[in-house]
Amino acid sequence: AQSVAQPEDQVNVAEGNPLTVKCTYSVSGNPYLFWYVQYPNRGLQFLLKYITGDNLVKGSYGFEAEFNKSQTSFHLKKPSALVSDSALYFCAVRYNFNKFYFGSGTKLNVKP
Amino acid sequence: DVKVTQSSRYLVKRTGEKVFLECVQDMDHENMFWYRQDPGLGLRLIYFSYDVKMKEKGDIPEGYSVSREKKERFSLILESASTNQTSMYLCASSFEGSYEQYFGPGTRLTVT
Repeated sequence: AQSVAQPEDQVNVAEGNPLTVKCTYSVSGNPYLFWYVQYPNRGLQFLLKYITGDNLVKGSYGFEAEFNKSQTSFHLKKPSALVSDSALYFCAVRYNFNKFYFGSGTKLNVKP
Repeated sequence: DVKVTQSSRYLVKRTGEKVFLECVQDMDHENMFWYRQDPGLGLRLIYFSYDVKMKEKGDIPEGYSVSREKKERFSLILESASTNQTSMYLCASSFEGSYEQYFGPGTRLTVT
């Protein structure tokens, strides 16, 4: 079955520390993977995607994600967290034509 | 900048009412999507459209219908609103083949 999982409902990190938001997927064929961010009272914004190529993908606002085929993971990372990074993060996988599964979301709290 | 607008930010309707949610995008995108967002469930695809008058069911189409008469506009219709349709509704659009979706700010619908 095609799916995507975000195992952590919430991640807490201190400002300046590295952050990781986890995502694992299950999809037949080559995965097309995405990260989106949602700030309060706003729609989702695209951060980055992996379609093919280099396993380390760089995106907006200093975020990057590492595709790991053997572990079926696509974790979102940032070397140094900012308070303004506090938001809800969604991982997504394309599974058919233009259909996407979204994870349940991970709330990132960055404390000063 | 791509802009996706939704007709209302907040909407309160009564059980049994017919509800229209409107979405407009200004970037000539071929694809448009309707999702609902519920806490702990992430985003779930209701319907998407890949061209004018063309539509495909998503994962949870029951109780909903859609209309796309013009390329820039995609409407979600709740024929007879029920309380379990209380949710945040998000519209998105994308170019064919890009897979990167642009989201509107969402409509929070409450059915009483």
